[in-house]
Amino acid sequence: DTAVSQTPKYLVTQMGNDKSIKCEQNLGHDTMYWYKQDSKKFLKIMFSYNNKELIINETVPNRFSPKSPDKAHLNLHINSLELGDSAVYFCASSSIVEGSLWQYFGPGTRLTVT
Amino acid sequence: GQNIDQPTEMTATEGAIVQINCTYQTSGFNGLFWYQQHAGEAPTFLSYNVLDGLEEKGRFSSFLSRSKGYSYLLLKELQMKDSASYLCAFNNAGNMLTFGGGTRLMVKP
Repeated sequence: DTAVSQTPKYLVTQMGNDKSIKCEQNLGHDTMYWYKQDSKKFLKIMFSYNNKELIINETVPNRFSPKSPDKAHLNLHINSLELGDSAVYFCASSSIVEGSLWQYFGPGTRLTVT
Repeated sequence: GQNIDQPTEMTATEGAIVQINCTYQTSGFNGLFWYQQHAGEAPTFLSYNVLDGLEEKGRFSSFLSRSKGYSYLLLKELQMKDSASYLCAFNNAGNMLTFGGGTRLMVKP
C-alpha cells in the first residue's frame, strides 16, 4: 500500500565506495525526484526526471546519477562516496500530466559515510 | 536569484493559533507549497496556493500574496501532535521545488 518506497532505510558505508538507493512509486505518477536533506534539515532538490527529461540541479556533483529502468522507479547511484554525502535522501513523485504539482515523498534513506 | 526565508523556531500553546510566515524571491513561479515534517519522517503535503488569497483545509489555512512574495500557514486549535517542522517551498515553473529551511514548531501544554 506504500505510495513511495525506498530501500534501504539505513545505509552505512566507507569513503570511496559506490552505492545505490532504490525508489519505487505505485501512484502512476509521471515524474520522480531525488532530494538531499542535510544535518541542518535543509531539503534540496537534486534531480527531476520523467520519461522525457532529466533536470539536474547544477550544484549536484557528477558522482551522483539517477537511473530509471521504468516510470515507476528512479534509483540513485553514488560513486566514490565522500564524508559530506552523509545525509537523508528522499525520493518523491508527482503527476505533471494531471496538473498535480504537489509531491509525495518516500520515507527517506539515511546515508552515513565513515 | 532564488531565495526563501522562514523563521527557524516558534513556540505556541495547545489550543492556540499560530501563524508561520514565509517570504520568497524567484523569477519563475508556479505555486507555493507547505509541508509538515515530523522528526525522522518524510515531509507530507499540507497545502498549495497558486493564486492570491486564502486556502482553508480544516485546522490549516495557507495564504499567498504573489506581488509581495509572501505566504503564511495558519494552524488553529493547536494539538500536541502539531509539533513538527513546517517547510515552505515554491515551484519555479520547472517542476522543481525550492524549500526554505523549515520552521520548527513546538506546541506546549
